[in-house]
Amino acid sequence: DTAVSQTPKYLVTQMGNDKSIKCEQNLGHDTMYWYKQDSKKFLKIMFSYNNKELIINETVPNRFSPKSPDKAHLNLHINSLELGDSAVYFCASSHLTTGLAEAFFGQGTRLTVV
Amino acid sequence: AQSVSQHNHHVILSEAASLELGCNYSYGGTVNLFWYVQYPGQHLQLLLKYFSGDPLVKGIKGFEAEFIKSKFSFNLRKPSVQWSDTAEYFCAVNAVNTNAGKSTFGDGTTLTVKP
Repeated sequence: DTAVSQTPKYLVTQMGNDKSIKCEQNLGHDTMYWYKQDSKKFLKIMFSYNNKELIINETVPNRFSPKSPDKAHLNLHINSLELGDSAVYFCASSHLTTGLAEAFFGQGTRLTVV
Repeated sequence: AQSVSQHNHHVILSEAASLELGCNYSYGGTVNLFWYVQYPGQHLQLLLKYFSGDPLVKGIKGFEAEFIKSKFSFNLRKPSVQWSDTAEYFCAVNAVNTNAGKSTFGDGTTLTVKP
């Protein structure tokens, strides 16, 4: 009965590869997010989708492409991985329409690019 | 756009000491405020939140925070910390009805509690 689940939990890959991270929430929330946490623990938003529509797109390289097949899923695809992409990526969800923007976070995906 | 500033980057305390972590935000409108905790190797969990009403909010594990609108502050407090409180603490602000629900996070405060 996990609320926000991400897969995989760990991902080790070589530079230049393409990889995807999947996220699903079973909370009935209408908005989902991707955050990146770097080695200094700084947490920055990357994308947000509300009811499958992209509503936030921060300054993120074009190699990162989110996809939301439905409002319970938000996947992150990364092309041509670089060393600097190594970080922990957190998916989160909230119920925007109620105005209560408390975010529920997934367990994180630790991406290591070698 | 809103921003969040956490004054203390790293705090080291002994068990039973009192804790106060500073958080200030910049936004002139109505905000929702949050404190999240991230235990080593884990995801962020909500500690407490302020939406409206009583500016003194109580959260889990004995934590509380006070919203002082005039100072744009939302400091986190705990009267007596435990070793298990060792974690990263993030303050976050969400501007109501704008920014599509984006929560802006502070840079975090690492709390180390010595036994």
